[in-house]
Amino acid sequence: DSGVTQTPKHLITATGQRVTLRCSPRSGDLSVYWYQQSLDQGLQFLIQYYNGEERAKGNILERFSAQQFPDLHSELNLSSLELGDSALYFCASSVDVGGETQYFGPGTRLLVL
Amino acid sequence: AQKVTQAQTEISVVEKEDVTLDCVYETRDTTYYLFWYKQPPSGELVFLIRRNSFDEQNEISGRYSWNFQKSTSSFNFTITASQVVDSAVYFCALSEDQTGANNLFFGTGTRLTVIP
Repeated sequence: DSGVTQTPKHLITATGQRVTLRCSPRSGDLSVYWYQQSLDQGLQFLIQYYNGEERAKGNILERFSAQQFPDLHSELNLSSLELGDSALYFCASSVDVGGETQYFGPGTRLLVL
Repeated sequence: AQKVTQAQTEISVVEKEDVTLDCVYETRDTTYYLFWYKQPPSGELVFLIRRNSFDEQNEISGRYSWNFQKSTSSFNFTITASQVVDSAVYFCALSEDQTGANNLFFGTGTRLTVIP
């Protein structure tokens, strides 16, 4: 158990809908990272937050947004969902901004029908 | 532009054999970070190592070792005396961010199967 929790584990929704994925980092970790893993695109870094502030942005679509709350949990919001958004979404956390050691959550599997 | 190539799509070895997973990267930056991750059949991702571009010392952790060679832009991963539990997909990744694990660019992964 990495100490990183993600909810929900599975999500099935329809095109055009909006969903929110939640991540709780390990106690004491200030950085949260979001990744997407799909058959088409492989593993992609989406975005990082450090202590509530956006730190780095990767291949995150404009339809997607994220935030980190004062209690350090993070949410990834996906809107106007398309079939191609079906993927495994991972959250990771680290104590530092550089991710010297990252701990991953179990992932949320999103299926868009 | 940054690029990570894991030319070995799938590798099968018999238990107790040594195996090396190749990773070749491209970057124009002089400061960068390299990573390896493991994804076992259960699906979770496991962080294995982070190495910065200024540290070319090889790293050994138990049965795992990493060989970083800037001259060939490679960061290869060797598992000695492989075990069935090593069966997984292994990803190499590169970050050009100055601080580390941000804006990671991943290779396509190598699926390792260890046969008992």
